[in-house]
Amino acid sequence: NAGVTQTPKFQVLKTGQSMTLQCAQDMNHNSMYWYRQDPGMGLRLIYYSASEGTTDKGEVPNGYNVSRLNKREFSLRLESAAPSQTSVYFCASSDKNYGYTFGSGTRLTVV
Amino acid sequence: GNSVTQMEGPVTLSEEAFLTINCTYTATGYPSLFWYVQYPGEGLQLLLKATKADDKGSNKGFEATYRKETTSFHLEKGSVQVSDSAVYFCALSEVYNFNKFYFGSGTKLNVKP
Repeated sequence: NAGVTQTPKFQVLKTGQSMTLQCAQDMNHNSMYWYRQDPGMGLRLIYYSASEGTTDKGEVPNGYNVSRLNKREFSLRLESAAPSQTSVYFCASSDKNYGYTFGSGTRLTVV
Repeated sequence: GNSVTQMEGPVTLSEEAFLTINCTYTATGYPSLFWYVQYPGEGLQLLLKATKADDKGSNKGFEATYRKETTSFHLEKGSVQVSDSAVYFCALSEVYNFNKFYFGSGTKLNVKP
């Protein structure tokens, strides 16, 4: 099925550990995004990539890095996880005429 | 700047009741407007959209009209079902920069049988 695939779905990290969240889309969209969702705060943009080879900071980029590996894949890395990064992370891709397509999310807990 | 304001939830309704979730926006120019729905444990899904003033987006019995004069895009449904229980997000995108997307904080809807 066409869409956005995120892995893993759940992850528990200890403070200071690193990890990479993976995202892939098969809709040939140019733009991809990483959001975090926290209770009462809606979605906040971490980073986005308007096209292959480009990345830009969003609203809350501190503590994260991203890589646009190719047109399909956009990964999010936490170099040294902190409890404040406990959240649900969503990857999305977009088409100008249709809007955003979201993945099913990664629930991350940092202890 | 651009922003989206939604009514706070949760909204609790009985099945077959009429639903309105208010959404107002602030934007430069004429943005495109969207409603997304998030079911428990899932990502957001596009519910409907409108790209210019007076457009009406509709899907699955939900409707919203792009009102430029009141800068609003309220979501309505005539008769809700238990299966409509979810979180609803209003959003806008800039006209000249589609990568700039602004989400409201979400409104949780609970529908009781």
